[in-house]
Amino acid sequence: EAAVTQSPRSKVAVTGGKVTLSCHQTNNHDYMYWYRQDTGHGLRLIHYSYVADSTEKGDIPDGYKASRPSQENFSLILELASLSQTAVYFCASSSGVENTLYFGAGTRLSVL
Amino acid sequence: QQQVRQSPQSLTVWEGETAILNCSYEDSTFNYFPWYQQFPGEGPALLISIRSVSDKKEDGRFTIFFNKREKKLSLHITDSQPGDSATYFCAAENTNTGKLTFGDGTVLTVKP
Repeated sequence: EAAVTQSPRSKVAVTGGKVTLSCHQTNNHDYMYWYRQDTGHGLRLIHYSYVADSTEKGDIPDGYKASRPSQENFSLILELASLSQTAVYFCASSSGVENTLYFGAGTRLSVL
Repeated sequence: QQQVRQSPQSLTVWEGETAILNCSYEDSTFNYFPWYQQFPGEGPALLISIRSVSDKKEDGRFTIFFNKREKKLSLHITDSQPGDSATYFCAAENTNTGKLTFGDGTVLTVKP
């Protein structure tokens, strides 16, 4: 079964601190995505990647960096966390265009 | 700019009724439209999808109707069951970039 694992599952961070969210997939998928979910806003794409060592900006990349060191791993980095970045973050993988996205269980981030 | 719009925001139906969830989009480069289902505390999961060359896609009790000229689609859930209670996201993919854009979702409640 397809598996996307996110860590941590929840995190409390201080304003101005650095936060790293990690994602690991065992699906052998080329595409990986980071989405943010806020109440009333659905899922918004932050960054995505279709090959290791390369990332692309999504719709709301400001304040976030992404890193894809290998096919299996995709990280989201908040260099200076802000209150407005409190949200649930989902990682997903897929084998390519017009293919199913497999989501992780999400990371609930609270910035205080 | 909201590229994928969903309505209504929330919908309540009785068990056995047909639920109709609506979606519209603006970008003509979108040509693949998956619907994802999300239960509380979980990541979204693919429910059903349609390509722009088709006007209808059926899978059991779930049917997508697609109108390319009007840039509209709808998800019909017949014989709704309490277990169908979830948030449903319409999404649209630009298959040139592989970028998937989600709507804000419709929260469906099916009362027994």
